[in-house]
Amino acid sequence: GDSVTQMEGPVTLSEEAFLTINCTYTATGYPSLFWYVQYPGEGLQLLLKATKADDKGSNKGFEATYRKETTSFHLEKGSVQVSDSAVYFCALRPSGAQKLVFGQGTRLTINP
Amino acid sequence: DVKVTQSSRYLVKRTGEKVFLECVQDMDHENMFWYRQDPGLGLRLIYFSYDVKMKEKGDIPEGYSVSREKKERFSLILESASTNQTSMYLCASSVSMNTEAFFGQGTRLTVV
Repeated sequence: GDSVTQMEGPVTLSEEAFLTINCTYTATGYPSLFWYVQYPGEGLQLLLKATKADDKGSNKGFEATYRKETTSFHLEKGSVQVSDSAVYFCALRPSGAQKLVFGQGTRLTINP
Repeated sequence: DVKVTQSSRYLVKRTGEKVFLECVQDMDHENMFWYRQDPGLGLRLIYFSYDVKMKEKGDIPEGYSVSREKKERFSLILESASTNQTSMYLCASSVSMNTEAFFGQGTRLTVV
């Protein structure tokens, strides 16, 4: 079935470091891909999305490119801030479906 | 502003109790979802609804039921709460298949 695998956390970085959180997926057809972020004590918010191969989603300095050949959607940011500390979830929506399938989440901590 | 509201942030219930978790959205969305979030497992879909009085099982429906009598409200019911249902429960809604899902802040349920 459809599934999402994220790199295991927790991830701890210093402020202004480069961030990569890996995400790979298994799905038939052409799923849509998402990154959601959960700040402490809050629900999930959509960070960015891509709906077809080679699309790049971007928001708040974060980027991810839909790579069908490697079935990946890695999240990157060039210079992280303390305020980026959160849990990040990669997710997919299978073709023709309404539900989302989530990865296990990656906890990111940024130290000043 | 888009809003999904869950009735409680924290709940403590006893084993065997019947528990109701309520979720209301003010965006006239067709689709509503209930997920549970557990460390290392990410979000798993319990049930979803694509219209009033319509419901479909997700990946882990056992021990749960749902009710959608009005478009804006989607209730999750634990018929007889058990300790393995201690978790964070997240409600979400979306307009249609290809749009983002909006999440509530979550209800942390503890069953003792």
